Amino acid sequence: EAGVTQFPSHSVIEKGQTVTLRCDPISGHDNLYWYRRVMGKEIKFLLHFVKESKQDESGMPNNRFLAERTGGTYSTLKVQPAELEDSGVYFCASSPGPTRKKLFFGSGTQLSVL
Amino acid sequence: GQSLEQPSEVTAVEGAIVQINCTYQTSGFYGLSWYQQHDGGAPTFLSYNALDGLEETGRFSSFLSRSDSYGYLLLQELQMKDSASYFCAVTSGYSTLTFGKGTMLLVSP
Repeated sequence: EAGVTQFPSHSVIEKGQTVTLRCDPISGHDNLYWYRRVMGKEIKFLLHFVKESKQDESGMPNNRFLAERTGGTYSTLKVQPAELEDSGVYFCASSPGPTRKKLFFGSGTQLSVL
Repeated sequence: GQSLEQPSEVTAVEGAIVQINCTYQTSGFYGLSWYQQHDGGAPTFLSYNALDGLEETGRFSSFLSRSDSYGYLLLQELQMKDSASYFCAVTSGYSTLTFGKGTMLLVSP
């Protein structure tokens, strides 16, 4: 069984550019989460999808971030325009149902905004 | 809001036992999880405690005291491959995990 896959693994862009991150959850997992880790800090929650619906987007930093999950399968996270403080590792995670303990994470996308 | 505190770094030698502590402040607490992350890899689930006490899974054990808002991860018979970052995470509310800043464990020969 394939795990959670994220693309790209690394992205280097200049301030003001647009970047789109993609996440493919484990097949059959209705719940999909985005998290971000800025170096040395906590893994911070961004948002949670249940199928194609946003269950909780309380962690999204601002309106420069747009997440979608059309069809309830893969998800994209777009940052437009990117700022220096957006640099960090963006993790995607999935679970078959709402879970209070076990998430399956991808290896993350390392985003560097110069 | 929620907050978690764990040491930033712990060092130990192969074969030793190490304990990584985690204290938390949260409302509506459901449980405490632990995740391991090797450099550049995906965080992977290790354990979960919803009730007070010790849960053992092979060389790893996790403990929770709800009254003290405290838990720890215990790693026994340390191996070089255990060098990684370890995150505690609390669940409160619907299903959102809130993570700590992580503890980097360095195991030396």
